[in-house]
Amino acid sequence: EDQVTQSPEALRLQEGESSSLNCSYTVSGLRGLFWYRQDPGKGPEFLFTLYSAGEEKEKERLKATLTKKESFLHITAPKPEDSATYLCAVRGSNYKLTFGKGTLLTVNP
Amino acid sequence: EAGVVQSPRYKIIEKKQPVAFWCNPISGHNTLYWYLQNLGQGPELLIRYENEEAVDDSQLPKDRFSAERLKGVDSTLKIQPAELGDSAVYLCASSLAYNEQFFGPGTRLTVL
Repeated sequence: EDQVTQSPEALRLQEGESSSLNCSYTVSGLRGLFWYRQDPGKGPEFLFTLYSAGEEKEKERLKATLTKKESFLHITAPKPEDSATYLCAVRGSNYKLTFGKGTLLTVNP
Repeated sequence: EAGVVQSPRYKIIEKKQPVAFWCNPISGHNTLYWYLQNLGQGPELLIRYENEEAVDDSQLPKDRFSAERLKGVDSTLKIQPAELGDSAVYLCASSLAYNEQFFGPGTRLTVL
């Protein structure tokens, strides 16, 4: 069974204080690792897809990286508007997405 | 481009009552998903459609839950009868084949 573990559960940063979120996974036949952002009362918003170890993708202050066992979401110089829950998910050989519980990020001004 | 549309956004019902949720996916997306999300948890897949066909409904509690996707576009998820434990957010998502999924805003169900 595919599994995703995200850490930390919650992270509080000061504006401009860079940090990283972790996503550890076990999957049968990786068909993609996905990062989503979820604001309160809204559905998850797609951020990135990574397919193979060593791959990196960037969007504004966010950068996602992938190894064979984990993925990191690096946040550089965050702003208060980056506050949200960040969800990681893996898609295995059955093409089903398995999500982690998410990391609740709070960025204080 | 319009995103995934869901209605209603909120629903409050008494236990044992029926309830239905509606989803309109992004135009052209042939794959549609229904997820359940409890507070503090990630979404969990209930059912996946490819066009009109339900290709993965292994997580759908079939004694009380049913779903349909007529003409391969809109979809309806129904619960009858609802139980207290069904209180959650029900999310609909769509994708073009198995590319990235795009989610709707969800329906928050409260069962009293």
